[in-house]
Amino acid sequence: EAGVAQSPRYKIIEKRQSVAFWCNPISGHATLYWYQQILGQGPKLLIQFQNNGVVDDSQLPKDRFSAERLKGVDSTLKIQPAKLEDSAVYLCASSPPREFWGEQYFGPGTRLTVT
Amino acid sequence: QKEVEQNSGPLSVPEGAIASLNCTYSDRGSQSFFWYRQYSGKSPELIMSIYSNGDKEDGRFTAQLNKASQYVSLLIRDSQPSDSATYLCAVRNQGGKLIFGQGTELSVKP
Repeated sequence: EAGVAQSPRYKIIEKRQSVAFWCNPISGHATLYWYQQILGQGPKLLIQFQNNGVVDDSQLPKDRFSAERLKGVDSTLKIQPAKLEDSAVYLCASSPPREFWGEQYFGPGTRLTVT
Repeated sequence: QKEVEQNSGPLSVPEGAIASLNCTYSDRGSQSFFWYRQYSGKSPELIMSIYSNGDKEDGRFTAQLNKASQYVSLLIRDSQPSDSATYLCAVRNQGGKLIFGQGTELSVKP
């Protein structure tokens, strides 16, 4: 079974530029998550999708971050404009049906550096 | 108070010893509890899940849950250098959100 795919793996941009990340979840996983992990901290949920609907985006900085999952499969996360404090690893995860939401499977992540 | 708290470590144990990792949580209505392992520069990997009070064993790993004390632990028996990683405790709270602790760094010395 293929795992969660993410691209790019690394990205370096200057502040105020924009960037987009892509994620393809495990086949059959209806729930998809985007997390931000700052060095030395645990992952922080940015947004959770169930199929193509948003379940939770309470911690997404909506003035600069946006995410979509138009066809209920792959997803993109965008930052525009980026700030220095956005430097982090952005992790995508997916999980099987609702009752097992805690059993999440993570992609390799995208390491973003904002200079 | 953080929703999920762990000692950041590092926790250092000799090879072959038992490593004990602890986690407390604040939402008494939480029902699902997980341990993830994260090697340096890699993404988290689920290693244990526990849903009811007591112990759950899987190979060298034992997860322990005490809902009355709002406490979860992970024991690693016969620790190996390959177990050196950061261990993340995650709790699914009453609202359904998975909350991660900051992680405990474990170092197993040969």
